[in-house]
Amino acid sequence: DQQVKQNSPSLSVQEGRISILNCDYTNSMFDYFLWYKKYPAEGPTFLISISSIKDKNEDGRFTVFLNKSAKHLSLHIVPSQPGDSAVYFCAAKRPGTASKLTFGTGTRLQVTL
Amino acid sequence: KAGVTQTPRYLIKTRGQQVTLSCSPISGHRSVSWYQQTPGQGLQFLFEYFSETQRNKGNFPGRFSGRQFSNSRSEMNVSTLELGDSALYLCASSLAGTSGTYEQYFGPGTRLTVT
Repeated sequence: DQQVKQNSPSLSVQEGRISILNCDYTNSMFDYFLWYKKYPAEGPTFLISISSIKDKNEDGRFTVFLNKSAKHLSLHIVPSQPGDSAVYFCAAKRPGTASKLTFGTGTRLQVTL
Repeated sequence: KAGVTQTPRYLIKTRGQQVTLSCSPISGHRSVSWYQQTPGQGLQFLFEYFSETQRNKGNFPGRFSGRQFSNSRSEMNVSTLELGDSALYLCASSLAGTSGTYEQYFGPGTRLTVT
């Protein structure tokens, strides 16, 4: 049962444009969401997170939006840069499980010149 | 601060053998979690240790075990290796919710190949 889903396996965006990565979840108990970026042969790198009591969080070029009624979150990267090319994972946790994250399957973002 | 370190980075084992992987967390992090990444299943949670106690466990067979030492360093052991255990094993450390944050910081992983 895939509780966190990233339905787009890949996304291609031009440099300077906005990248929007999407994530859906089925478990309404999730109370904290995170986005990670992963390069080949490296571990995931934390990007940004959001608590379920908020609907938006920004950090520089990265903004995460949470729509609890739709059980949907998205990561916006503006402007996109070639160095953003990587696989992006969304992850979620339930209350009382501080360090047990459920990950989506990832979206490969390619930023082209 | 130094990041999460994992050793070894690469490992080749034969079916039936056992293997031990090591993880050193970020200084001050008392929680260490282990994940398995495979192309078919993505990133899956194995278990978490906090203050030398296993606090959470994923849906993996008992062949997968771990432990944590008093300095928060952790080891993961897989016994009776199977071909399907070939994967990237990732260790992550965190403050485990203190200050209301739940971010986990990952090491580079150990690539295990079982032949």
